[in-house]
This record gives sequence, C-alpha cells and structure tokens, in this order.
Amino acid sequence: AQSVTQLDSQVPVFEEAPVELRCNYSSSVSVYLFWYVQYPNQGLQLLLKYLSGSTLVKGINGFEAEFNKSQTSFHLRKPSVHISDTAEYFCAVSDPGQGGKLIFGQGTELSVKP
Amino acid sequence: DGGITQSPKYLFRKEGQNVTLSCEQNLNHDAMYWYRQDPGQGLRLIYYSQIVNDFQKGDIAEGYSVSREKKESFPLTVTSAQKNPTAFYLCASSTGTGPANTGELFFGEGSRLTVL
Repeated sequence: AQSVTQLDSQVPVFEEAPVELRCNYSSSVSVYLFWYVQYPNQGLQLLLKYLSGSTLVKGINGFEAEFNKSQTSFHLRKPSVHISDTAEYFCAVSDPGQGGKLIFGQGTELSVKP
Repeated sequence: DGGITQSPKYLFRKEGQNVTLSCEQNLNHDAMYWYRQDPGQGLRLIYYSQIVNDFQKGDIAEGYSVSREKKESFPLTVTSAQKNPTAFYLCASSTGTGPANTGELFFGEGSRLTVL
C-alpha cells in the first residue's frame, strides 16, 4: 500500500528566508502527487499537483515542487517566505489505478517568524 | 460560487449522543469523502462514495455511518459507538470516477466536534 512520509513535523524559518518541506512516498509505480495548505481552523487548499509532464511544478503563492522518481520524493520549496505562509502543509499521493483515493502525509507545520 | 459547504462549523455533544454533520457540494462532483483530523496525525479517511447510493469504508469507519441519497449530499453521523469522537472533520469531493479520478480533492471548511 502507498504511504507518504513528511520528514519534518515542524519547520521554523525567518521571513524572507528560503524554505524546503520534504516529502517522500513509498511506491515506485506511476503516481499523482499533491501539496495542500491548511490555515488554522480551515479546510485544505490545493497548492500544486503533479500528474505528468515536467517534473518541476509551479503552484500558487510562489511555491514550487520537484518530482524525483528515482528518489520517490516531491519536496516543496519557496525562495522567500512571508509571515502569511505560516500554516500546515500536507503532501499527498494517489495511485492512478485506484480511482482517486488520496493518501496523506502527517503534515508539516511551517512557522514564519519576523 | 461553486464549493463545498459543511455545517455546523462547531458542535458540542454529550457522551452517548449521535450527531450528524452535513456536507453539500454544488460542483457536480461524483465522488465525496469524509476525513478526520487529529493533531499530529494528518488526515484519516472515514468513508467515501463514488456514486449515489454506494459508499465504502475507509481506514477508520468504526463508530461512523454515512448515506449518499443525492449526488450533492454526503452526511456523516458520528454515533455513540465512536470511542473518541472529538476531532476536526473534513468533507471533500473530487471529479471523475475510476481511472478518470486523479484524486485531486476539493475541501469544505470543516466541522469541529467536541464531546463534553
């Protein structure tokens, strides 16, 4: 069965610094990959997704992620964070043969400090 | 605007009571899902439905029940059999069925249930 590991549960960073949130998944077969953001007491919002094509995916709010098949990773990056990026971030994977069932990682809490 | 509406946003329940959380979507999506979120545990799938009048158990279905009588609606009942129901509940939907469904989910704003 698929599994997703987010390697850091909390990432503190100063404003305007770069950040990388790490995500690894277990399957070596074709996958769809997603990053979601959740602000306090709200639902999840899609940041970006990889379905096929270019391995560098750009999303909203200046975030991007790179799909690395050989390392089964999908790390999220932003070159310069803002206070408003403080939120919880979830990596998720689905198997194209499983009809859309999404498996989530445990989440990474990004805390941006002034 | 199209979207998913969950209600109520906050709910308090006494032990031993059943409670139903509402989820309505006007996105014309085929599939709907219920997730439970606890601090530090990510999202865990409770139930999902890919078509009307059909639904499947997820990873933590015990103590919960659902129905899917209409495409737009997927209510979740938290029964008295659920041992630890205090949590944040998220409803989601996705387009397509079977291989056409990439898994991309659209979420509601959530319902926070507290058992007193």
